[in-house]
Amino acid sequence: SQQGEEDPQALSIQEGENATMNCSYKTSINNLQWYRQNSGRGLVHLILIRSNEREKHSGRLRVTLDTSKKSSSLLITASRAADTASYFCATDAWNNAGNMLTFGGGTRLMVKP
Amino acid sequence: KAGVTQTPRYLIKTRGQQVTLSCSPISGHRSVSWYQQTPGQGLQFLFEYFSETQRNKGNFPGRFSGRQFSNSRSEMNVSTLELGDSALYLCASSGSFETQYFGPGTRLLVL
Repeated sequence: SQQGEEDPQALSIQEGENATMNCSYKTSINNLQWYRQNSGRGLVHLILIRSNEREKHSGRLRVTLDTSKKSSSLLITASRAADTASYFCATDAWNNAGNMLTFGGGTRLMVKP
Repeated sequence: KAGVTQTPRYLIKTRGQQVTLSCSPISGHRSVSWYQQTPGQGLQFLFEYFSETQRNKGNFPGRFSGRQFSNSRSEMNVSTLELGDSALYLCASSGSFETQYFGPGTRLLVL
């Protein structure tokens, strides 16, 4: 079963615009991670935010985490056609003894040139 | 460092057969996890191995099994294949309790 729900399921924007994706989850977490997947290939790790962090930046990416609302958002600024992909949030539950990520359903982002 | 590698990349099997998929983690990583991705169920955790021991297990039937060798390479096996086992199988390795690095996946088609 999936812990998270992502919103929207699909997003289409023009190159240069910002893209915001949201993720909600159900249980307490150690950390939340965002991944990108191009055309059914492997997942590429984008950013990890720990439960005691509220915001994190990496290049054009900005992630926020609100543990009281059990939600996170991923903002991609100044989007490029190469950002076209599916984006997934994944949570690592607080009581995990090891690595066991629970993924959301993903957001399909299309950036039009 | 070389990334996570998975073999084979594509596989076609028929119902009732069994299949073995292989994963070589990033050098130095001792944790290997397996995930199944399907259009209907999304990405689901199968199991995780650490130092040759299964440390976590997802909610999959016993037909799905795995193992890890002393060099951290891992294999997963699916016996008595069903049509619903058609999926992209992803392997990920980790050197810590945090970031997982994924391989390109093995796409399995069961006919």
